[in-house]
Amino acid sequence: DVVMTQTPVSLSVSLGGQVSISCRSSQSLVHNNGNTYLSWYLQKPGQSPQLLIYKVSNRFSGISDRFSGSGSGTDFTLKISRVEPDDLGVYYCGQGTQYPPTFGAGTKLELK
Amino acid sequence: QVQLKESGPGLVQPSETLSLTCTVSGFSLTSYSVSWVRQPSGKGPEWMGRMWYDGDTAYNSALKSRLSISRDTSKNQVFLKMNSLQTDDTGTYYCTRDSTHWFAYWGQGTLVTVSS
Repeated sequence: DVVMTQTPVSLSVSLGGQVSISCRSSQSLVHNNGNTYLSWYLQKPGQSPQLLIYKVSNRFSGISDRFSGSGSGTDFTLKISRVEPDDLGVYYCGQGTQYPPTFGAGTKLELK
Repeated sequence: QVQLKESGPGLVQPSETLSLTCTVSGFSLTSYSVSWVRQPSGKGPEWMGRMWYDGDTAYNSALKSRLSISRDTSKNQVFLKMNSLQTDDTGTYYCTRDSTHWFAYWGQGTLVTVSS
């Protein structure tokens, strides 16, 4: 299975600040159709995960442009700018290129 | 709008079988696939298996020997059955509408505790 490694494990940020979360996969996430299926999810306290980003950099419906995804191959980054209180929670990266789909262990975003 | 809701027993005895139901609305099970994903407390999600829109199924090989996913399209329901439950099967179980390569919509989840 593809192992997804996220760093850091936790992150403190001031409101209005910017943060980056890294996600590294144990194998290339380039599918044989040429697409890269790396997605990002946010799980707010007591809630289900919600999709933020799919295919590395595509924002899901209704997701603020303060969230941006980048990367290629095995290295990916989620950037959150102008952090708001509603952004706090645990962020997960996930891959859907190889079976089975797998997720990282999460990065917890907290207020400084 | 798209909605998914899981239901089932909150407590299961060790070695027993877990049965969960996912009831969906706002989309057709013959047009979209539904996956089951579980999450132990404080850990990342784990994909369990998928009911494809065409009725086919796919399973995580780690669970395949214990897991079965089925559906009733007339009732807009997808079912999960997993046998021989152990304490490390404790966690929150979600059904999701997926786009094959990512998970766009999630249910609220149902907490399953395996304990005697």
